[in-house]
Amino acid sequence: QSGLTQPPSVSGAPGQRVTISCTGTSSNIGTGYDVHWYQQLPGKAPKLLIFHNNNRPSGVPDRFSGSKSGASASLAITGLQAEDEADYYCQSYDTSLSVYVFGTGTKVTVL
Amino acid sequence: EVHLVESGGGLVQPGRSLRLSCAGSGFTLADYTMTWVRQAPGTGLEWVGFIRGKPYGGTTEYAPSLKGSFRISRDDSKNTAYLQMNSLKTADTAVYYCARGYLTGDLYFFDSWGQGTLVTVSS
Repeated sequence: QSGLTQPPSVSGAPGQRVTISCTGTSSNIGTGYDVHWYQQLPGKAPKLLIFHNNNRPSGVPDRFSGSKSGASASLAITGLQAEDEADYYCQSYDTSLSVYVFGTGTKVTVL
Repeated sequence: EVHLVESGGGLVQPGRSLRLSCAGSGFTLADYTMTWVRQAPGTGLEWVGFIRGKPYGGTTEYAPSLKGSFRISRDDSKNTAYLQMNSLKTADTAVYYCARGYLTGDLYFFDSWGQGTLVTVSS
């Protein structure tokens, strides 16, 4: 179902900056649809991390930021912390599939 | 505080049916679009479908691959949404999450999630 591609894994040392890409197509992100990001800690439910491409819900640290350009989006984590080890998913809407699509997911490992 | 609790998961044989529940608290479920998302073991998230809130007509939308097999409903008096799953297949084995939809323009993101309930389809 997914039309959004993410790297399977990224890693970084504590304090470093990592970025996660989310590549879409002309039928989803490229159409202009917003991208949202979710964090899924091990064994837990997903949690909204970024909405409308670059907005943080209350309580989400400003170490997390999002951006979008063309048919792609990115999530950046600066000042990486051990508690950031999780799976991260982007989400948008695909007009040709008529579904809400999630990215393939990226596992962030803190070295 | 918004809280969502799923229930009703378990082991079911292929071809059988199962109904999941999603009880909401801390908000009026009738006013919101309630979504179901599933996650097969070791894989990513897959949108199942949703039921729009009363202000938006209460209509349903489903992933095309699941339309006809799954049905979403809501009992506003119980602040609860449901996912009726029929003709279950082994490929339907997953953790099923309910989530609250936040409308932005014509589309949604999902701002609160339940803890999930595991459905295992196996003979």
